[in-house]
Amino acid sequence: GENVEQHPSTLSVQEGDSAVIKCTYSDSASNYFPWYKQELGKRPQLIIDIRSNVGEKKDQRIAVTLNKTAKHFSLHITETQPEDSAVYFCAARNFRTSSGTYKYIFGTGTRLKVLA
Amino acid sequence: EAGVTQFPSHSVIEKGQTVTLRCDPISGHDNLYWYRRVMGKEIKFLLHFVKESKQDESGMPNNRFLAERTGGTYSTLKVQPAELEDSGVYFCASSQGFLGSRTEAFFGQGTRLTVV
Repeated sequence: GENVEQHPSTLSVQEGDSAVIKCTYSDSASNYFPWYKQELGKRPQLIIDIRSNVGEKKDQRIAVTLNKTAKHFSLHITETQPEDSAVYFCAARNFRTSSGTYKYIFGTGTRLKVLA
Repeated sequence: EAGVTQFPSHSVIEKGQTVTLRCDPISGHDNLYWYRRVMGKEIKFLLHFVKESKQDESGMPNNRFLAERTGGTYSTLKVQPAELEDSGVYFCASSQGFLGSRTEAFFGQGTRLTVV
């Protein structure tokens, strides 16, 4: 069935270092990939997204890359700061033909710890 | 603008009891989604409302789960009778249109349900 694999499950980096989280999706028809950040005790919030007709997108210290052929997409955070510590979820948007609607298939989450 | 609001934030119930979770979406958002995250696993889709209609309920685990959205405003998710495996964090999300690169899904903070 539809699924999104996400690695690693936990990641610890030193402040100032880079962090990379990788996801692989199964449905080749997926065409939109959002990333959500959930800080402790808070709601998941969209931080960046990418459409399937784009290979890379940047927003300040965060970037997302997409390899459609391999069905991989990754989140890159540079110059990490303590406030980047959170759980990050990747997702792939799937179109459900039976209901004519879209839904997100999420990965299992990555707990990022930025060590000061 | 108020965000997506969920009640209660935490609930601890005994196996066999009934629990009702509530979600108030962002005003004007026709699309409302329920998701669940069991510890360490993915945020898993449960169902999708468009206004008061169930558009996609393919993720509902079994008939112990009943979701309603009378009047197309707030939604409730009832679990009756609750089982141990129902424990997890239940998220609600809403969006103005169908999910996509121009339509963001806004999440609530979740209800942490513990069945003992």
